[in-house]
Amino acid sequence: KQEVTQIPAALSVPEGENLVLNCSFTDSAIYNLQWFRQDPGKGLTSLLLIQSSQREQTSGRLNASLDKSSGRSTLYIAASQPGDSATYLCAVDGGSQGNLIFGKGTKLSVKP
Amino acid sequence: DGGITQSPKYLFRKEGQNVTLSCEQNLNHDAMYWYRQDPGQGLRLIYYSQIVNDFQKGDIAEGYSVSREKKESFPLTVTSAQKNPTAFYLCASRLRQGADSPLHFGNGTRLTVT
Repeated sequence: KQEVTQIPAALSVPEGENLVLNCSFTDSAIYNLQWFRQDPGKGLTSLLLIQSSQREQTSGRLNASLDKSSGRSTLYIAASQPGDSATYLCAVDGGSQGNLIFGKGTKLSVKP
Repeated sequence: DGGITQSPKYLFRKEGQNVTLSCEQNLNHDAMYWYRQDPGQGLRLIYYSQIVNDFQKGDIAEGYSVSREKKESFPLTVTSAQKNPTAFYLCASRLRQGADSPLHFGNGTRLTVT
């Protein structure tokens, strides 16, 4: 059974710092991996989707990488800003019955 | 603007009452999903539908029911059989199941049952 883990559960950094969020999964047979952002009391916003054949995707200050063989993905945030404060979740799509398996998220706080 | 609309944002019910949460999308997506989010538990799949008039149970379907009579709509009913219904409910959709189809979410409905 696929399991997705995100460590650490919470992270606090000063503004301007570059940071990396981690996501690991136990079954490498995935279609894709998606990173989301969730603000308090809101739904999830899709940030990046990496297909299984890809190694990375970039959007603005965000870069996500995927290493299927080791079961890992990282989300790199450059020059962090207070507005980046949110919970970041990763989810893997194993293709089975169309269900994504989510990690529990990393709560990021960027201090001005 | 295209998106997923969940209503209402907050819902309060007495124990023993059924309640229906609305989810409408105008993205022309085939697949729709209902998730439940509890503190410290992550997102858990309740039901999903990949096509009109068809839906499947997720990991925690007991005490819930759904219908998919129209492509745009996927309402979720929380029945009195659901033992712990107070939670944050999220509806999602995507174009289709597949490698290049990202999942999009609504803004959620927070249900409180007392």
